[in-house]
Amino acid sequence: GEDVEQSLFLSVREGDSSVINCTYTDSSSTYLYWYKQEPGAGLQLLTYIFSNMDMKQDQRLTVLLNKKDKHLSLRIADTQTGDSAIYFCAESMEGYSTLTFGKGTMLLVSP
Amino acid sequence: NAGVTQTPKFQVLKTGQSMTLQCAQDMNHNSMYWYRQDPGMGLRLIYYSASEGTTDKGEVPNGYNVSRLNKREFSLRLESAAPSQTSVYFCASMTPGQNYGYTFGSGTRLTVV
Repeated sequence: GEDVEQSLFLSVREGDSSVINCTYTDSSSTYLYWYKQEPGAGLQLLTYIFSNMDMKQDQRLTVLLNKKDKHLSLRIADTQTGDSAIYFCAESMEGYSTLTFGKGTMLLVSP
Repeated sequence: NAGVTQTPKFQVLKTGQSMTLQCAQDMNHNSMYWYRQDPGMGLRLIYYSASEGTTDKGEVPNGYNVSRLNKREFSLRLESAAPSQTSVYFCASMTPGQNYGYTFGSGTRLTVV
């Protein structure tokens, strides 16, 4: 079955770049998503990428997709303390009504 | 637009009590979902409704029931609450095939004592 894997924790200093990685197993994924969850809040969609794209940039966020290795990454440039949160990777597949989520990566940004 | 609205935001139940978590969306989405989030476990799907009039079990359905009341509303019921159901519950909605994935509610924090 499908599975989405993420590292559990990442710590960076303010101003550095953060790279959060995700691997998935199902090659029939159509869209891949990054969600952000701040403490005590629900999940908010940060960005998404269609499976026929390699890269998407949105202000400080860059998403890279390597379909051959089934690897997705989220790069946050000039990381700020407000970026401290849990980041979830998720995939959707053609014909399926549900998304499959990774367990989330906790990003801690220190001043 | 309010998006996805969940009520209540917090609840404490005694073991054996019942309650219903409410969820409503105003985005005309076809599908709605209930997840629970526990430390170290990520998000686990309890039940979902792919379209009005249908419901399906997810990964962890035991101890729960759902009702898709209409296109807007999808409720989750705990018939006899257990301490293992202490969790944060999230409702979400989506129209499959569209590119923006789920929209989540802000969650219900449930404690069963």
